[in-house]
Amino acid sequence: RKEVEQDPGPFNVPEGATVAFNCTYSNSASQSFFWYRQDCRKEPKLLMSVYSSGNEDGRFTAQLNRASQYISLLIRDSKLSDSATYLCVVSGGVYALNFGKGTSLLVTP
Amino acid sequence: DVKVTQSSRYLVKRTGEKVFLECVQDMDHENMFWYRQDPGLGLRLIYFSYDVKMKEKGDIPEGYSVSREKKERFSLILESASTNQTSMYLCASSPLGGRAEQFFGPGTRLTVL
Repeated sequence: RKEVEQDPGPFNVPEGATVAFNCTYSNSASQSFFWYRQDCRKEPKLLMSVYSSGNEDGRFTAQLNRASQYISLLIRDSKLSDSATYLCVVSGGVYALNFGKGTSLLVTP
Repeated sequence: DVKVTQSSRYLVKRTGEKVFLECVQDMDHENMFWYRQDPGLGLRLIYFSYDVKMKEKGDIPEGYSVSREKKERFSLILESASTNQTSMYLCASSPLGGRAEQFFGPGTRLTVL
């Protein structure tokens, strides 16, 4: 079973739409959770950390469900500039992070 | 801001050549990582280092070695490059503790002919 699983998409949504991504993880002992954003031919960059109580950063909301071992990312009022691949990331062993393969989002005019 | 730099953005090498990819970080981070990223396969960890002269194998270490002689620098070595090592190589660093965010360099797109 893969450590972190995401729907690869692509998700094609119109500007202004709300879109949600989920990912599931297999290691119940994981302690840290992140969403990264990766633009085409660029390096991954941290979008936001995910906290147990859920957290919001502007149009972005992240939720963690430890019992079901899944993480979600909600994007409200989508912008063209939100088009990217979103990577779900979960802490693994002592040093490593486990990266999902990413979900591709395309926001269209 | 944390800065992670990689020696080359694009590199073209021939089969059998020895290839060095260099990574430097300026935030005094203890941990450094080398990944490769291929379409459909996502990020795969090759090697990581949690201290100077310390290294650990990741998920796909075969055909690679690493060197960390100074805290800020982590090198990836392809002893004898092969065509299946054509890929995007990404270096990352993070502060002490496996729960911390990783900061990535811009990547090196390596083509082996």
